[in-house]
Amino acid sequence: DTAVSQTPKYLVTQMGNDKSIKCEQNLGHDTMYWYKQDSKKFLKIMFSYNNKELIINETVPNRFSPKSPDKAHLNLHINSLELGDSAVYFCASSPDRGSGYTFGSGTRLTVV
Amino acid sequence: GNSVTQMEGPVTLSEEAFLTINCTYTATGYPSLFWYVQYPGEGLQLLLKATKADDKGSNKGFEATYRKETTSFHLEKGSVQVSDSAVYFCALSDSDTNAGKSTFGDGTTLTVKP
Repeated sequence: DTAVSQTPKYLVTQMGNDKSIKCEQNLGHDTMYWYKQDSKKFLKIMFSYNNKELIINETVPNRFSPKSPDKAHLNLHINSLELGDSAVYFCASSPDRGSGYTFGSGTRLTVV
Repeated sequence: GNSVTQMEGPVTLSEEAFLTINCTYTATGYPSLFWYVQYPGEGLQLLLKATKADDKGSNKGFEATYRKETTSFHLEKGSVQVSDSAVYFCALSDSDTNAGKSTFGDGTTLTVKP
């Protein structure tokens, strides 16, 4: 009965590989997000989808591609992984501006 | 653009001490304001929120008041516990654009010692 679930929780991979992170929410929220948290805990928005439509695409390398097959799912695919991609990636959802986010538990990506 | 400035950490307190974590913001519209808490190894959890000026958000003994005149949303707790040790993030949600995109402060690490 987890509200926002991400898989996998941990991901260790070599440079140059391609990987995906999946996110699902069962809250009925219209908007979903991907955030990146670096080693200093700084949070930076990457993407946002509203009802399957991309509405926010921050300055993120083209190697990152989000996909939303329906409003309950927002996946993140990363091509040609680099060392600098190592971080914790959080998925979140929100019903509207004033309600705040519900976050997933995060995916710790380590590129070696 | 929007921005959130939080008190730099780390903050170390003894149990039962009074906590204040300062947060000020810059926004073009009328944002909603939030505090989130992140316990070690976990995702962020919404702690409290306020959607308009003079609103007070409260939860689990924590409080924060939306002060438009000083553009502030300081987090307070009267008596902290060891279990309050975590990273605290202040955030705002834009009123005008980007469907509720939130801007986060840099986080403040709180350690409470017995």
